[in-house]
Amino acid sequence: SQKIEQNSEALNIQEGKTATLTCNYTNYSPAYLQWYRQDPGRGPVFLLLIRENEKEKRKERLKVTFDTTLKQSLFHITASQPADSATYLCAFGGSQGNLIFGKGTKLSVKP
Amino acid sequence: SQTIHQWPATLVQPVGSPLSLECTVEGTSNPNLYWYRQAAGRGLQLLFYSVGIGQISSEVPQNLSASRPQDRQFILSSKKLLLSDSGFYLCAWTTPRAYEQYFGPGTRLTVT
Repeated sequence: SQKIEQNSEALNIQEGKTATLTCNYTNYSPAYLQWYRQDPGRGPVFLLLIRENEKEKRKERLKVTFDTTLKQSLFHITASQPADSATYLCAFGGSQGNLIFGKGTKLSVKP
Repeated sequence: SQTIHQWPATLVQPVGSPLSLECTVEGTSNPNLYWYRQAAGRGLQLLFYSVGIGQISSEVPQNLSASRPQDRQFILSSKKLLLSDSGFYLCAWTTPRAYEQYFGPGTRLTVT
């Protein structure tokens, strides 16, 4: 069955460093991957989408890569800030947008 | 601009009682609508999705059901709640040609 895994449940980094989160998938060839941010007690918020024919996409301090050979997406936050602390979810989906989410990585940025 | 509402925000219900959670979207028409559940320590699980009025697809067999009586209204129901139904229920929408989903504030359900 289709499976998506975020290798780290938690990641702790120092303010100003680059946070790198990993998302791997198996038994599927998604046309796109998405990344969301979720704060405690709230719904996820869409951040970025990357398509299979795109190697990299950027938005301000965020960067996402998509390697279809490795079946992996990396999510980077450069110059991280304590306000970036949250759980980050990756997801891929079917043709009707029925997304399959990873369990998320909880990022903590220490001042 | 588009807005998505969910209610209630929190709910405590005894085992065996019925459930009705409502989600409405404003500012768009003919959205795709989704119900997810997020249980403690688990990821987001898609429960139902709908691409139009009266059209419901179920992803996971369970004692829950969904209905879409109006274009921008999505309802999640149960006739008899189980303890395992506890969790954070999220509604989301997207336009038919887009992929990114926009989530509501969620309903925290505790079944006792």
